[in-house]
Amino acid sequence: AQSVTQPDIHITVSEGASLELRCNYSYGATPYLFWYVQSPGQGLQLLLKYFSGDTLVQGIKGFEAEFKRSQSSFNLRKPSVHWSDAAEYFCAVGASIGGGADGLTFGKGTHLIIQP
Amino acid sequence: DGGITQSPKYLFRKEGQNVTLSCEQNLNHDAMYWYRQDPGQGLRLIYYSQIVNDFQKGDIAEGYSVSREKKESFPLTVTSAQKNPTAFYLCASSIAGSPGTQYFGPGTRLLVL
Repeated sequence: AQSVTQPDIHITVSEGASLELRCNYSYGATPYLFWYVQSPGQGLQLLLKYFSGDTLVQGIKGFEAEFKRSQSSFNLRKPSVHWSDAAEYFCAVGASIGGGADGLTFGKGTHLIIQP
Repeated sequence: DGGITQSPKYLFRKEGQNVTLSCEQNLNHDAMYWYRQDPGQGLRLIYYSQIVNDFQKGDIAEGYSVSREKKESFPLTVTSAQKNPTAFYLCASSIAGSPGTQYFGPGTRLLVL
């Protein structure tokens, strides 16, 4: 079965500084990988996704992520964070081409705190 | 505007009571899902449905039931058999065959009185 690990429960970053959130996955075949963001008491919004092709994917709000098969990682990055980026971030993996219809496996999330 | 609506935003359950959470989508998506979110636990899949009149158990289906009589609607019932129902419940939908691009509703917070 697939699994996702987000090693950092909380991360604190100063406004304007760069950000990297870590995500490691476990899956036997080529995974379908996603990053979602959740503001307090809200649903999840898709930031970006990787299915195949270029291993560096661009998303909304200035985020990007890089798929590294050798490291089983899909880390999320942003060159300069804004106070509005404070939220919970979830990495997720889909099982297969039918993974979208079978549900996603989520990591436990990383809580991002922005210092002024 | 297309999207997913969940109601109510907050729901209170008494001991031994069944409660139903509503999820409606107007995105014309075939697949719909229910997730449960607990603090520090991420999201866990309860049930999903790929097509009308068919649904499958997820990882934590015990104590829950669903129906899918219409493409637009996928209500979740939290039964009295669910001993720890306090959580944030999220509904999502996706295009069938579109791996993982799920769109989420705003969620329902269920509390036990």
